[in-house]
Amino acid sequence: AQSVTQPDIHITVSEGASLELRCNYSYGATPYLFWYVQSPGQGLQLLLKYFSGDTLVQGIKGFEAEFKRSQSSFNLRKPSVHWSDAAEYFCAVGAGNKLVFGAGTILRVKS
Amino acid sequence: DGGITQSPKYLFRKEGQNVTLSCEQNLNHDAMYWYRQDPGQGLRLIYYSQIVNDFQKGDIAEGYSVSREKKESFPLTVTSAQKNPTAFYLCASSILGLAGGRPDTQYFGPGTRLTVL
Repeated sequence: AQSVTQPDIHITVSEGASLELRCNYSYGATPYLFWYVQSPGQGLQLLLKYFSGDTLVQGIKGFEAEFKRSQSSFNLRKPSVHWSDAAEYFCAVGAGNKLVFGAGTILRVKS
Repeated sequence: DGGITQSPKYLFRKEGQNVTLSCEQNLNHDAMYWYRQDPGQGLRLIYYSQIVNDFQKGDIAEGYSVSREKKESFPLTVTSAQKNPTAFYLCASSILGLAGGRPDTQYFGPGTRLTVL
């Protein structure tokens, strides 16, 4: 069965520091992968997606993610975190006609 | 202004009552979805619909019902049979899908927080 694992429930980084959020997936074929962000009490906003082609994907708000088939990973990165990036981040894999979401990683930014 | 609207933002219900959550989209998307979100559990799919007058159960459909009478609307009813309905509910929509039935990007509404008193 398809699944997504986000190993880190919480991550705290200092403002201006780099960020990497981990995502591992289980899927039999070439996956379609997504990263979403959610501010408290709000809906989810798409940050970026990978369908095919270049394995390094650029998204909004300065985020990028790299698809590594050999590691079944799709980690999200940002070179310099801003206080406004504090939110919950979800990785998802496309499975059939549905999305399967990870449990999320809560990012805290300290000044 | 295209998007997905959910109403109300907050909803309170007494035990034993049914309640209906609204979801409307003007993106001309064929597919619509309902998710439940609980802390630390990510999003769990309740129901989805790919075409008017048709819908399928997701992973946690028990205690919920839906209808899809119009392309733009996909209301969710939380029935009294749902044992633990207090949660944050998210509606999403997408185009029907890419070639080969692969899913396309889902766009989310702002959510409805349901509290059972």
